[in-house]
Amino acid sequence: SQQGEEDPQALSIQEGENATMNCSYKTSINNLQWYRQNSGRGLVHLILIRSNEREKHSGRLRVTLDTSKKSSSLLITASRAADTASYFCATRGPPGYSTLTFGKGTMLLVSP
Amino acid sequence: DARVTQTPRHKVTEMGQEVTMRCQPILGHNTVFWYRQTMMQGLELLAYFRNRAPLDDSGMPKDRFSAEMPDATLATLKIQPSEPRDSAVYFCASGPGQADEKLFFGSGTQLSVL
Repeated sequence: SQQGEEDPQALSIQEGENATMNCSYKTSINNLQWYRQNSGRGLVHLILIRSNEREKHSGRLRVTLDTSKKSSSLLITASRAADTASYFCATRGPPGYSTLTFGKGTMLLVSP
Repeated sequence: DARVTQTPRHKVTEMGQEVTMRCQPILGHNTVFWYRQTMMQGLELLAYFRNRAPLDDSGMPKDRFSAEMPDATLATLKIQPSEPRDSAVYFCASGPGQADEKLFFGSGTQLSVL
């Protein structure tokens, strides 16, 4: 069963706007990761945040983690048409359990 | 650029036939994962190898699926016999084996079982 659940399932915005996607999970984690998948392609790692971190930035990406609420958010600022893709959160369990469990993803459409 | 290579990219077969999917992980990576992606179920973990040893295949239907790593440069996923419900995209991913590793995915094998 999925550990992470993304919200919303789909998001449609205009270029230049910000996009926010949320992820909720159920059990304790070692880290949480976000991946992007373009249509017909494999997943590409975007950013990782550890359980003892609250916020992380990478370029136009900002990730937050609230372990008390078991939730994370991914913010893409100043979106571009090239950001159109599906975005997945993935959780890795406590130390010793090394598999990544993925949510079902948020499909983001950025219109020019 | 180092990448995970999967073959074939597409496979159409008839129910009952054997299907073999291959994966070449990134050189030096010691963890290999097989995932299956469908619209209904999303990404499901099928098998996980560390240093070529299978550590978790609890997500894999044992009666028809098998996963192996004959050597460090090749991982295989076999389905025998295949069924229409096996139609999906199968992804292989590899990682360097650290606790905070990120995974590198191949482009997937799109399988259609008629």
